[in-house]
Parts: sequence; C-alpha cells; structure tokens
Amino acid sequence: DAKTTQPPSMDCAEGRAANLPCNHSTISGNEYVYWYRQIHSQGPQYIIHGLKNNETNEMASLIITEDRKSSTLILPHATLRDTAVYYCIVRTSYDKVIFGPGTSLSVIP
Amino acid sequence: GAVVSQHPSWVICKSGTSVKIECRSLDFQATTMFWYRQFPKQSLMLMATSNEGSKATYEQGVEKDKFLINHASLTLSTLTVTSAHPEDSSFYICSAPRGAGDYNEQFFGPGTRLTVL
Repeated sequence: DAKTTQPPSMDCAEGRAANLPCNHSTISGNEYVYWYRQIHSQGPQYIIHGLKNNETNEMASLIITEDRKSSTLILPHATLRDTAVYYCIVRTSYDKVIFGPGTSLSVIP
Repeated sequence: GAVVSQHPSWVICKSGTSVKIECRSLDFQATTMFWYRQFPKQSLMLMATSNEGSKATYEQGVEKDKFLINHASLTLSTLTVTSAHPEDSSFYICSAPRGAGDYNEQFFGPGTRLTVL
C-alpha cells in the first residue's frame, strides 16, 4: 500500500534546480521521509532522509512541511547525470523499504 | 559509505536450469538482507527478507520453493532461482541495512540482470 504520492515524470533544464514533490498525508509520528534514486540499470542510491526538520547534504536538500504531510527534494543544480527515477519513501527506521512508482526526472541540456 | 556487492552482475541461462545470485555486505555485517525484483519500466518489488541463521520471510505471491534464499553468514545472502523460465528474466537487487537506534540506512547492491532463454 503506497504511503506516498509523486508525479510520474518531470523535466528540468540542466543547471537549474530540480524540485521533486512528494505527498505523504498519512505519515505517522515515528516515520521518516527517505529519498532514493535509481539511475537506469543500477541499484537504488540513498539521497537524503528527514523526520521533521529540513535537511541538506552534498547531494540535495529536503524540505518537509510543518504538518509533515508533504516534502520536496531539491537538487540545486541539476546535471545530466541526475536523470533517474526518484523514490520518496515513508518508513520507520526498521521498516522494509517498499518502493512506489517514483518520479522519472529527465534533465534536459 | 557502506558497500553492498552482487555477483554475478549479469547471467544468461537456459530454461529449466537454476541460477544462484550472491549478495555481500563488504564492510559491515547484516543480520537481515532484502531481495527485490524489477521488471522493465517498473518499480522494485520486494520479494523476501533474508534472515541470518533462520528462514527467509517471503512477500505475498512469491514462491518460496522457486526462489530459495540462504543467509549463511553475516555478510552473505544468496538467492537461487530454481528451474528458471523466461518469465523469471528480470533485474534482481539486494539490500542490507546498517545502523542502530533511530537511524537505519539501507544500502543497495548494483543488481543482477537475469536472462532466461
């Protein structure tokens, strides 16, 4: 059962910020928001995760709304290598990782 | 970061044969590992949870007698596709969690492409 809703696809111009939305209106208090991505024919790659505060690392930023019902993954300067399927997953630390359909991001030159 | 490897990266086999895929956690121990299957243009589907020293737990609809899982050590889980048929052709991916307490991160292998002729 999908706990998140993401747009099926998005385009982004190279060098621009890519903002990928995710809705998780039924998130529980102890569930984290995780983001992974999968480049074609590779295993998924962890990007970032958060509980309720905004988070930033070398790859991306994660903005979580105050009510925690939605979040946005931001790739500040998208490159062609960021073309991938991005998965937003809500889970506790010990839950299995269940993938939804994700968002297919195409970075366009 | 932690690394999970898979072997082989790709395999082609004849229908009716069995194929073994290995998943290793290279720099950490994992009492639990997970196996996924991915068909073209689809998302990853969780097949089973591999438990070190005990039986695997299979997701609904996954045939445990067809997909044999063995987790004999803290760094190795194997998936054997028995009597493979063309419909078993898929991308198989494993993952292993590392961490404790409130934070537990999953590390994924690079995947194994299985083609059954």
